[in-house]
Amino acid sequence: GQNIDQPTEMTATEGAIVQINCTYQTSGFNGLFWYQQHAGEAPTFLSYNVLDGLEEKGRFSSFLSRSKGYSYLLLKELQMKDSASYLCAVSISGAGSYQLTFGKGTKLSVIP
Amino acid sequence: GAGVSQTPSNKVTEKGKYVELRCDPISGHTALYWYRQSLGQGPEFLIYFQGTGAADDSGLPNDRFFAVRPEGSVSTLKIQRTERGDSAVYLCASSLTGGIKDTQYFGPGTRLTVL
Repeated sequence: GQNIDQPTEMTATEGAIVQINCTYQTSGFNGLFWYQQHAGEAPTFLSYNVLDGLEEKGRFSSFLSRSKGYSYLLLKELQMKDSASYLCAVSISGAGSYQLTFGKGTKLSVIP
Repeated sequence: GAGVSQTPSNKVTEKGKYVELRCDPISGHTALYWYRQSLGQGPEFLIYFQGTGAADDSGLPNDRFFAVRPEGSVSTLKIQRTERGDSAVYLCASSLTGGIKDTQYFGPGTRLTVL
């Protein structure tokens, strides 16, 4: 089966840095995606990692270690609008597609 | 359109009824996916279309669920004899080709409530 774990909730202060961890055990691996989802809205793409290492994109960075089955999303200079759920998703090869298998999401609350 | 659109945004129905949920993908995207998201959970894969054909329907929970994409653009997810357990947000996503590195872009979802 597929197993993707991430913390349920996190709280951080405006202007600070927060790291959201994700561990995975999946049958197959074609890359790892991070999505942001505000309450009642669609998930929006943040980052994609397929090779080990750090990918930086503005205030957001994502890290992958395939040997450890581990990724993290790093958010710098937190803003109130960053309050949202962050979904870790692994791309696996399905019966005829590259499906995304999602974790349950980490609800991040940014406080003043 | 600029993004993936889904209609209706909300659907309330009674147990046993039939419902149709519509998805309009990003123009030019050949790959289309349906996911279901229950409260407090991540989205779960249901079905994948490449063009007009359902290339992977391994996530459909049972034969009450069916989806079509007759012209390779708009897709409709159909649920027969709805049950209370079907209540969830149904998300549609599209990607350019369905390739291994393709980003999936999600629509706002249809919130289905079965009473």
